[in-house]
Parts: sequence; structure tokens; C-alpha cells
Amino acid sequence: GAGVSQSPSNKVTEKGKDVELRCDPISGHTALYWYRQRLGQGLEFLIYFQGNSAPDKSGLPSDRFSAERTGESVSTLTIQRTQQEDSAVYLCASSLETGEETQYFGPGTRLLVL
Amino acid sequence: SQKIEQNSEALNIQEGKTATLTCNYTNYSPAYLQWYRQDPGRGPVFLLLIRENEKEKRKERLKVTFDTTLKQSLFHITASQPADSATYLCALEGQTGANNLFFGTGTRLTVIP
Repeated sequence: GAGVSQSPSNKVTEKGKDVELRCDPISGHTALYWYRQRLGQGLEFLIYFQGNSAPDKSGLPSDRFSAERTGESVSTLTIQRTQQEDSAVYLCASSLETGEETQYFGPGTRLLVL
Repeated sequence: SQKIEQNSEALNIQEGKTATLTCNYTNYSPAYLQWYRQDPGRGPVFLLLIRENEKEKRKERLKVTFDTTLKQSLFHITASQPADSATYLCALEGQTGANNLFFGTGTRLTVIP
């Protein structure tokens, strides 16, 4: 079956512009996560969605970052007024349900802010 | 806050030998610990999960141990192959009952033919 997909695979933008990143989780997976991975760094948790519950936004680094999810499907991560330090790979993962610890990752979106 | 350290940034071993990667954590007692593999340009792929009440878990050529007293996990790849070359990430549950994972920075393993 299809895995987690993300688009675009690469994005180059100018400082100050807004960007929108998309994640399509595995069908039937109720939990969805966004992580950020800077060059040479570990994955940094950003936000978590579970069904219709309020999202866990505890990892968002600033109010320039926001994310939405429609039901149990697609999610978009939006970064407003991008800064050079936002350059990173943004990874999306999904899991079957709450308490299912294994996460399935997409290939990531490589964001470069010039 | 919790902290994870993976023993080295890079590890080179000869084909056929056993690779041992270390993950140490502090300030926390996770209910489980996971290991993921990440290849360049790709997202991490789940390998193994070990729970706090398990000492050891095996999957084919992989073996993971979990010592909650030492706050350490060891990840072994026996009879290593060049195809095992990748970055290996250790991950804990973010905090008690949390659903996110807290990742280490990874160890880049190179298996030399």
C-alpha cells in the first residue's frame, strides 16, 4: 500500500515569504506528526494531530509556524515570513492510532530559505 | 528536560563484523525506546521497539538491549553488510504518555567491503 507522501519534495524561497508544506498520511492512520530536521541534527518534534482532538502544538518554535489537518487526512504545515534558520527538512509521520508507537515517515520536504 | 546521546557521530566497521551503537539518555524514564534507520534523502524507517520491562529484543541480524538502570540502549547488527550503511536513530517517547518521539542525532554507520 501507499506510504506517507509529502509535497513538494524541495522548496526554495526567499526570506520573508510564506510557504505551505503538505502531508498525505497512510490511509486509516488517525495520528499525524510533523518534525523538523536541520542539517546534522536530530529530529525535532513540531506538532501532533490525533483524530478530532485539539492538536499538541508544544513543539512549534514560534507563532510563524502553524498546521492544520482536515479530519484524518491531509495536513498542511505553514511557515509565515520565513527566515534563513527555517531551512531544514520537514518530515511528516503517521501512526495507526493513539498508543501505537511505531511511526511511518514520509520522504520529507527540503526547505531552503535564501 | 530529557537528553539523548548517541555514542558517536560516525562509525566505520569491516564487513562481516558486528556493529554496536549506543544510546544514552538522562532526566527521564521512558516506557519504550525505538531504533530507526535513515538513508540519505529519505525519512526514518522503523526497525525495533523495546519496552522498559524487556531486556533484549531481536529481529533477524538486529539485536537491541535496554538497561533502565544505566539508562542505555545498545543496538547491534551482526554479520554486517555494506547495505547496512546508513544513519541509525534512537528515539524515546517525548514524555510520559506523550505521543511524539524524542530523537537522538544519530550515528552514521559505514560498513566497508
